[in-house]
Amino acid sequence: DAKTTQPPSMDCAEGRAANLPCNHSTISGNEYVYWYRQIHSQGPQYIIHGLKNNETNEMASLIITEDRKSSTLILPHATLRDTAVYYCIVIVPTGRRALTFGSGTRLQVQP
Amino acid sequence: DAGVIQSPRHEVTEMGQEVTLRCKPISGHNSLFWYRQTMMRGLELLIYFNNNVPIDDSGMPEDRFSAKMPNASFSTLKIQPSEPRDSAVYFCASSPGVAGADTQYFGPGTRLTVL
Repeated sequence: DAKTTQPPSMDCAEGRAANLPCNHSTISGNEYVYWYRQIHSQGPQYIIHGLKNNETNEMASLIITEDRKSSTLILPHATLRDTAVYYCIVIVPTGRRALTFGSGTRLQVQP
Repeated sequence: DAGVIQSPRHEVTEMGQEVTLRCKPISGHNSLFWYRQTMMRGLELLIYFNNNVPIDDSGMPEDRFSAKMPNASFSTLKIQPSEPRDSAVYFCASSPGVAGADTQYFGPGTRLTVL
């Protein structure tokens, strides 16, 4: 799996967009970018994933650079409930593998 | 769908006692994962099943840990005898288990405290 690098922490004002970066410069052609988050005392939660095109769902948008070496998770209107640790991982989705999280980015949404 | 269901949510037991954690995966999902999370070690895979068959149990700490999946809708993780170092949050997750669909859906976890 390609190594990912994320800033350890970020702050965001409530109601503003939160842009969380992830660097994955060694990503290979068949690896996908996945984002999960973990709110305190809860289980990890899937957010979104993509291969090379930008993706959007009801939770967030994922912007992947053209060279695929980095990506940005965008929470368009952050709320206090979005305060969590966000994990970017790069994997080949075989359908039968464990997840390994790095240290992630701790996002604090401020009122 | 109710999502992945785990029970109990909290368990406090004394060293040496048997502990059984339970998990009901999302209906239709073919893969089931048991993870353990601690502050020191982060999220660790213990074992995972595909179509009710254990595929990889290399993360199971030792013989004190065992896991079963008797059918597609139920799995257990048993610790016997329990030790204080087993104190952690144990998560169960399920996924469709097919190539191209690696999204895992986690349960709320069982917080285990062994005194």
